[in-house]
Amino acid sequence: EAGVTQFPSHSVIEKGQTVTLRCDPISGHDNLYWYRRVMGKEIKFLLHFVKESKQDESGMPNNRFLAERTGGTYSTLKVQPAELEDSGVYFCASSQVRGISYNSPLHFGNGTRLTVT
Amino acid sequence: AQSVAQPEDQVNVAEGNPLTVKCTYSVSGNPYLFWYVQYPNRGLQFLLKYITGDNLVKGSYGFEAEFNKSQTSFHLKKPSALVSDSALYFCAVRDTALRGKLIFGQGTELSVKP
Repeated sequence: EAGVTQFPSHSVIEKGQTVTLRCDPISGHDNLYWYRRVMGKEIKFLLHFVKESKQDESGMPNNRFLAERTGGTYSTLKVQPAELEDSGVYFCASSQVRGISYNSPLHFGNGTRLTVT
Repeated sequence: AQSVAQPEDQVNVAEGNPLTVKCTYSVSGNPYLFWYVQYPNRGLQFLLKYITGDNLVKGSYGFEAEFNKSQTSFHLKKPSALVSDSALYFCAVRDTALRGKLIFGQGTELSVKP
């Protein structure tokens, strides 16, 4: 089966511009997560979808970030307008179990490296 | 507050020697503990997990981890390191109080030299 796919793999934009990241989870996975790692620091949770519904968006840093998952398949994460501190690696992950299962591992994509200059 | 700490930014080991990557956690309730590995230009790969039961859990690529409740630790170990084990390792915890999300440590860079 295909893994979690993220696009683009790299993005370099200027401060004030808009960027949209895309994640295609493993087919049939209801749970979809976005995480971010800023250089050298821990990977931080951004939000969690169950199908098309936002289950938990407590990690979204501010209203410049907008995540969607129309139809409960792929998801997009838009940053508008981008700031320097938004630079980092954005990971998407999915899992199969419906709802929340605390012992099921997540399947991660390769990440999108975002650089804001 | 729930947290995970990996006290070492980098661990250097000679090939064939045992390796340990340290992790401690702080959560309310029962912890569900995970180790992930990230190879260069790749995503995070699941290595192993502790849910309940035997404190020593075995995972992929010959890795194992020991859960120690009294010390709130979940150190990753391997009896004999390989050069190909060189990667970034992340410890993570999942707790019912966290609504299912993973809390990660800052990562430990493992370097295995021939």
